[in-house]
Amino acid sequence: NAGVMQNPRHLVRRRGQEARLRCSPMKGHSHVYWYRQLPEEGLKFMVYLQKENIIDESGMPKERFSAEFPKEGPSILRIQQVVRGDSAAYFCASSPQGSGGPNEQFFGPGTRLTVL
Amino acid sequence: KQEVTQIPAALSVPEGENLVLNCSFTDSAIYNLQWFRQDPGKGLTSLLLIQSSQREQTSGRLNASLDKSSGRSTLYIAASQPGDSATYLCAVNFGNEKLTFGTGTRLTIIP
Repeated sequence: NAGVMQNPRHLVRRRGQEARLRCSPMKGHSHVYWYRQLPEEGLKFMVYLQKENIIDESGMPKERFSAEFPKEGPSILRIQQVVRGDSAAYFCASSPQGSGGPNEQFFGPGTRLTVL
Repeated sequence: KQEVTQIPAALSVPEGENLVLNCSFTDSAIYNLQWFRQDPGKGLTSLLLIQSSQREQTSGRLNASLDKSSGRSTLYIAASQPGDSATYLCAVNFGNEKLTFGTGTRLTIIP
């Protein structure tokens, strides 16, 4: 059973370009979470999705950031018009559908975004 | 506000010693707590998960405890090895699905 997969592992963009980060959850997992780790800071929650639904986006910046988890295919975190402050490691996690509440989250290797 | 704190930020110990890492959280109504390991430039490896109804979990040389009433968890590492050098992160699920992370303790095991 493959773990959580993220690609690309490293992404370089120039200011103003778009960044698309992909996450494939573990097989059988229907919950996806995105977290961001800024340089020298802790991980911060961004968004929680289930298939075709955004459940909690309270950690997402109000502008330029969006996320989706379609019925088929990976979850996508999209950053439009990137700025240098978006440079960070973006981690995806997945968990199985819970029977009584939150389950253990399994993390992918992350995508390291560098904005020039 | 629900917060997670890890002190100290960095810790160095000689190889072979036992050690304890600390995690504190502000709200005792947690759902579960996870300890992770992160190596430089790498992803997170889940070490132990403690549900709110549990008081401890063990895996090999690692033992994690949970005291909800005092808002604390500890990660005990026995017979430390240089390969244990990494940043250890504590993350709490306060019941709203998202994990709230501490800023981590950077552990160095001195050979």
